Amino acid sequence: DVKVTQSSRYLVKRTGEKVFLECVQDMDHENMFWYRQDPGLGLRLIYFSYDVKMKEKGDIPEGYSVSREKKERFSLILESASTNQTSMYLCASSLSARATYEQYFGPGTRLTVT
Amino acid sequence: AQKITQTQPGMFVQEKEAVTLDCTYDTSDQSYGLFWYKQPSSGEMIFLIYQGSYDEQNATEGRYSLNFQKARKSANLVISASQLGDSAMYFCAMREIFGGANSKLTFGKGITLSVRP
Repeated sequence: DVKVTQSSRYLVKRTGEKVFLECVQDMDHENMFWYRQDPGLGLRLIYFSYDVKMKEKGDIPEGYSVSREKKERFSLILESASTNQTSMYLCASSLSARATYEQYFGPGTRLTVT
Repeated sequence: AQKITQTQPGMFVQEKEAVTLDCTYDTSDQSYGLFWYKQPSSGEMIFLIYQGSYDEQNATEGRYSLNFQKARKSANLVISASQLGDSAMYFCAMREIFGGANSKLTFGKGITLSVRP
């Protein structure tokens, strides 16, 4: 089975802190994604990566950056956390960019910024 | 631009009955894929079923089937013989097939399903 793991299920940070959210997949998938999920807004794509060291902005990249140094690991970075970044963050991976391949999701990180 | 619409309010169904969750979509692409995901209260998104725009038959996966009506641009999820464990939020999503690496998955806002014993 595909396994996507995220470093924390719950995280509480202070405004202005630098925050790292880690995601690891164990199935040699090419593509990895970071979403945030807010009530009434569904899932919104922050960034995605289709290869090591490659990244593309999603719909809401402002205030975030990403890093993919190894194929299995995709990190989301909040350079200076703000209260409006309090949200559920979901990481996903897929085998390739073909639309027929589903995305596999991690368990999510619920981040609270105070 | 692609758009997914899920407008049903919270849905309720009696255990062992069937339920249909609605999804309509808008796209100018001819080739696309449609997905349904389930998100239980634990938070993890679980892939349920996939339908390609050129697939002639409706997709089925166990108790899940997708009622695909291309002309109406609808892709409703049908869950047969509902179980208590089906209580969750359900998301419809789509992606263009030939969009390459930049082709992203667009999600609807989700529908909450509650199964009553």
